[in-house]
Amino acid sequence: EAGVTQSPTHLIKTRGQQVTLRCSPISGHTSVYWYQQALGLGLQFLLWYDEGEERNRGNFPPRFSGRQFPNYSSELNVNALELEDSALYLCASSLLLGTGELFFGEGSRLTVL
Amino acid sequence: AQRVTQPEKLLSVFKGAPVELKCNYSYSGSPELFWYVQYSRQRLQLLLRHISRESIKGFTADLNKGETSFHLKKPFAQEEDSAMYYCARIVDNQGGKLIFGQGTELSVKP
Repeated sequence: EAGVTQSPTHLIKTRGQQVTLRCSPISGHTSVYWYQQALGLGLQFLLWYDEGEERNRGNFPPRFSGRQFPNYSSELNVNALELEDSALYLCASSLLLGTGELFFGEGSRLTVL
Repeated sequence: AQRVTQPEKLLSVFKGAPVELKCNYSYSGSPELFWYVQYSRQRLQLLLRHISRESIKGFTADLNKGETSFHLKKPFAQEEDSAMYYCARIVDNQGGKLIFGQGTELSVKP
């Protein structure tokens, strides 16, 4: 069974640019979570989608947004990039709502110069 | 705000020694707590959950409501236990939102 896949694995952007990160959940999983893992800050909850709808949002500015498609894949968009957006962005999927059992991808490493 | 706190960034022990990774949570009536682990060059993965009361790879974690803690323990550490460990909880009344502590790096020396 294929795990959660994320793309791209690495990317470099400059301040003010926009970026789109992509995530494909495990087949059959309807929930997708996004986390930001900046250096020394642990995993910060960004967004949670289930069945195509945004279920919850972390304490991030509106320039962080996303969506979930009918096939349950998801995108995370970050506009007007700032230096502190440099981080590993992790996507996770879950089969059952609210169980706490998440399956993580390997992440997309974003560097903002 | 509901939180998970892991006070130690790094814990270093020798092989065969007991290990305890600390996790404290902000007050909640019935918290659902988890430990996740990330081995070198592997994905973050679920290690155990308190509701299962299971032992995985020799690790156990007991929920102590009085101390609002969920420490992860293993009586005899092995080198292959070296990894990043994250404590996590489901946030009350938010349908399944999972938040994580800052993580503790466990280093088991030979």
